[in-house]
Amino acid sequence: GAVVSQHPSRVICKSGTSVKIECRSLDFQATTMFWYRQFPKQSLMLMATSNEGSKATYEQGVEKDKFLINHASLTLSTLTVTSAHPEDSSFYICSALRTVNTEAFFGQGTRLTVV
Amino acid sequence: TQLLEQSPQFLSIQEGENLTVYCNSSSVFSSLQWYRQEPGEGPVLLVTVVTGGEVKKLKRLTFQFGDARKDSSLHITAAQPGDTGLYLCAGERRSGAGSYQLTFGKGTKLSVIP
Repeated sequence: GAVVSQHPSRVICKSGTSVKIECRSLDFQATTMFWYRQFPKQSLMLMATSNEGSKATYEQGVEKDKFLINHASLTLSTLTVTSAHPEDSSFYICSALRTVNTEAFFGQGTRLTVV
Repeated sequence: TQLLEQSPQFLSIQEGENLTVYCNSSSVFSSLQWYRQEPGEGPVLLVTVVTGGEVKKLKRLTFQFGDARKDSSLHITAAQPGDTGLYLCAGERRSGAGSYQLTFGKGTKLSVIP
């Protein structure tokens, strides 16, 4: 199956700093990638849809200036959590859409802890 | 946003028992996917059902897509401790403009007790 690599898998940062999370599709091109947030014992909540070469589409209630998304190439999308606060601590997961058969593949997730 | 109701939310059963997880919506989906997620990892796709009434089997797991493509079920026969995990259903919708939307249910946390 297709592989999506997410990095880092875990990160601890100080409050007020920014953290960048990378999502790479390793063996296919993805014009569309998705970013999700998952709280403990809860399901995945879509944050934004990342489109290569254009601005991301954010879901209602997600601050675009806080969660910066860049999809500069067909294999890489990044999510930057700016000025992180403890309430931003969560599990962030990306998925990449393989257009061949319109199937989405998920990364391993990133556990962000803001102290 | 199309809601996808998944039930039960939590399920604790003894090894060897059977169980069914349900996923219901008032919306029609192009396909419905079932995932399994381990703690600290991303979801892993188990199966995709596309055709109304479709039934797919994966060893002891049986997946069914409703005739109207609005609901689905996952049945596990003779559950094993290795089946423990979070099971997620997700409905896929595609628009004529080529957009793709995947809506997740809230998940079912399954615990199989040896």
